[in-house]
Amino acid sequence: DVKVTQSSRYLVKRTGEKVFLECVQDMDHENMFWYRQDPGLGLRLIYFSYDVKMKEKGDIPEGYSVSREKKERFSLILESASTNQTSMYLCASSLELSYEQYFGPGTRLTVT
Amino acid sequence: KQEVTQIPAALSVPEGENLVLNCSFTDSAIYNLQWFRQDPGKGLTSLLLIQSSQREQTSGRLNASLDKSSGRSTLYIAASQPGDSATYLCAVTDNYGQNFVFGPGTRLSVLP
Repeated sequence: DVKVTQSSRYLVKRTGEKVFLECVQDMDHENMFWYRQDPGLGLRLIYFSYDVKMKEKGDIPEGYSVSREKKERFSLILESASTNQTSMYLCASSLELSYEQYFGPGTRLTVT
Repeated sequence: KQEVTQIPAALSVPEGENLVLNCSFTDSAIYNLQWFRQDPGKGLTSLLLIQSSQREQTSGRLNASLDKSSGRSTLYIAASQPGDSATYLCAVTDNYGQNFVFGPGTRLSVLP
């Protein structure tokens, strides 16, 4: 079974802090994704990566950056956290870009 | 721009009923469509993936159909059980396999 893990289930940070969200997958998948999920807005793609050191912007990349130094690990970085980045963050991976996506359990981030 | 809608937004049924969840998308040029379930506060679990060339996919009590030309997919759940209670989301991928658009979900409650 594919396993996607995220570093924290719950995180509380202060405005202006630099925040790192980590995602690890154990199935040698080429592609990894970061989404945020908000009530009434659904899931929105922030960034995805189709190879090590490669990244593409999704629908809402502003205020975020990503890093993929190793195939199994994809990090989401909030350079200076703001209250409007309070959300549920979901990581996913897939073998090919249009193949089935497998999700991690999510990180609920609160920025105060 | 692709838009995905799901009707109904919420559904409550007694245990044992057969039910249908609907997903509509505005641009028929999709590569595939995927159905997920999400339990409260958790990540998404993939249920079924239908390629654009397919008409339906089945897994146990679940059957998903796809009518690409009319921009619709349905998820049929047979003999519903309380354990089926969750939010069900559909997502489509464009022909380049790079644009992932999710619907808002249908929240299902199956009453014992």
